Amino acid sequence: EPEVTQTPSHQVTQMGQEVILRCVPISNHLYFYWYRQILGQKVEFLVSFYNNEISEKSEIFDDQFSVERPDGSNFTLKIRSTKLEDSAMYFCASTPGTSSNTIYFGEGSWLTVV
Amino acid sequence: AQTVTQSQPEMSVQEAETVTLSCTYDTSENNYYLFWYKQPPSRQMILVIRQEAYKQQNATENRFSVNFQKAAKSFSLKISDSQLGDTAMYFCAFKTSGSRLTFGEGTQLTVNP
Repeated sequence: EPEVTQTPSHQVTQMGQEVILRCVPISNHLYFYWYRQILGQKVEFLVSFYNNEISEKSEIFDDQFSVERPDGSNFTLKIRSTKLEDSAMYFCASTPGTSSNTIYFGEGSWLTVV
Repeated sequence: AQTVTQSQPEMSVQEAETVTLSCTYDTSENNYYLFWYKQPPSRQMILVIRQEAYKQQNATENRFSVNFQKAAKSFSLKISDSQLGDTAMYFCAFKTSGSRLTFGEGTQLTVNP
């Protein structure tokens, strides 16, 4: 069964460093998402991406965050200057389109900022 | 804005018993989708079941079923014949077409042997 894959599974980074989290969505999917989950809290929406542009973003997704689809398969989340409070599990997700509203999640990338 | 509320932070059940997890939501939309996701200790988000609001029939997936009450804006998950592998955090989630997925706070379910 096709699945969303994410790398790395776990990354430790120094505060102030840039981090890139990578995702390969399911191949025929058109909508891509990033969500995050701070330890012990609920899953929060960051951004959605469709047709090579951001379609929606939350208040969390400020100027230090950016997303990109550099080629036909990868979807990346960049955090420019990490802060301690960016420590969280970051989930990539995808869905085929508006006719199917089921969102499929990757296994997550656990980011620890020290 | 849509909100999802799970009022049970923790629940436990004996193996082979049945347990029901509660979820309520608030929306002014008429067409929407509801989901239950399972998050085991590995922290992966696994889709358990989905329900389209326009369908009156409650969704079922093997041992998992929902009780969808549209007027009451309630969407509970029933797990029958609970197994040790069902131990996980369960999130209720809401979505309209083309919009973000909004999650509840989660219910930690423990299945005891």
